[in-house]
Amino acid sequence: NAGVMQNPRHLVRRRGQEARLRCSPMKGHSHVYWYRQLPEEGLKFMVYLQKENIIDESGMPKERFSAEFPKEGPSILRIQQVVRGDSAAYFCASSALTGRNTEAFFGQGTRLTVV
Amino acid sequence: LAKTTQPISMDSYEGQEVNITCSHNNIATNDYITWYQQFPSQGPRFIIQGYKTKVTNEVASLFIPADRKSSTLSLPRVSLSDTAVYYCLVGDVNTGFQKLVFGTGTRLLVSP
Repeated sequence: NAGVMQNPRHLVRRRGQEARLRCSPMKGHSHVYWYRQLPEEGLKFMVYLQKENIIDESGMPKERFSAEFPKEGPSILRIQQVVRGDSAAYFCASSALTGRNTEAFFGQGTRLTVV
Repeated sequence: LAKTTQPISMDSYEGQEVNITCSHNNIATNDYITWYQQFPSQGPRFIIQGYKTKVTNEVASLFIPADRKSSTLSLPRVSLSDTAVYYCLVGDVNTGFQKLVFGTGTRLLVSP
């Protein structure tokens, strides 16, 4: 049973380019969460999606960032016109359901470097 | 959301028991306490979750006093591979996993 798969593991972009981060949840999981982690800091929630729906995007910056989880295929976190401050590790997690004793499984993350 | 306070770092030696305490003075009635572990360059991994008293699994134990204003993660006989950051999360999991807030965690260093 493959875990949460994120790709690429490392991504380098020049300022102004677009970054696309992909997340394939665990088999059978329909809930996906994206987090950002700056060096030496904890994870910051960005967005929570179910298939074809954004449930909670309270942690997403208002501009340049978007996320989707289509009916088929992986969830995508898209960052347009990247800036140096976007450099961070981006983690995706998935869960089978919400509620008591929900356990979310994290991927290994995508490390974005903006040069 | 209940705010949590943990020590920034802890040091231990192989074979010792490590107890990491988390304070959550304004924990709500419906809140659960969840601990995650994160190794360098990896995503966090679920360790244990509890509501009150004591919970034990094959990895750790979680002690929660009656007032639930704090909790203690206990790692028995740590090894070098337990060196990681440990996060205490408090929240009502019934409202969604995304409501659980990751703080800065406790950085545990296990030495030989």
